[in-house]
Amino acid sequence: GNSVTQMEGPVTLSEEAFLTINCTYTATGYPSLFWYVQYPGEGLQLLLKATKADDKGSNKGFEATYRKETTSFHLEKGSVQVSDSAVYFCALRGLTGGGNKLTFGTGTQLKVEL
Amino acid sequence: DTGVSQDPRHKITKRGQNVTFRCDPISEHNRLYWYRQTLGQGPEFLTYFQNEAQLEKSRLLSDRFSAERPKGSFSTLEIQRTEQGDSAMYLCASTPAGGQINYGYTFGSGTRLTVV
Repeated sequence: GNSVTQMEGPVTLSEEAFLTINCTYTATGYPSLFWYVQYPGEGLQLLLKATKADDKGSNKGFEATYRKETTSFHLEKGSVQVSDSAVYFCALRGLTGGGNKLTFGTGTQLKVEL
Repeated sequence: DTGVSQDPRHKITKRGQNVTFRCDPISEHNRLYWYRQTLGQGPEFLTYFQNEAQLEKSRLLSDRFSAERPKGSFSTLEIQRTEQGDSAMYLCASTPAGGQINYGYTFGSGTRLTVV
């Protein structure tokens, strides 16, 4: 079946540091890939997405590139802010085996300090 | 459009009681999903509807759980005879249909259930 593996957190960074959160997946075919963000006490918000190999999703300074050869979709940001502190979830939506639902990773908590 | 609404935001119940949650999706979205999220974990799929039809249910959805979407608009999730292991955040999401797989979902803020 489909699965998503994320690096464990928490990740603690100083403001303006570079961020990478690793995400790899297992799926049949060419799934769509997503990053969601969850702020404390809130639901999930779509951060960015990519629907085919080599696509780059980007939003609010965050980027992720769909790498089929390495089955990865790592999240990056060049300069994080305190307001980026949240939990980040990588997810996929597959073509087969239940393609109408998202499969999530366990989430990576990011803490950004001054 | 105010997005996906869930009610209540928080629910504390005694073990053995029944609880019901409500989700109002975005009006033009005909697919509605329920997920469960426990502390420190990612959301896990429970079930989904296309219009009023319940098309898929997870093995996580035991016979104590039932979901309905009677008119293809709002949905309810009922848990009977609650157990402490049911304590979690219950998330609702909606998305347009149309055979496209490149949509993410719009999530509600969730209902946090605590069973004491």
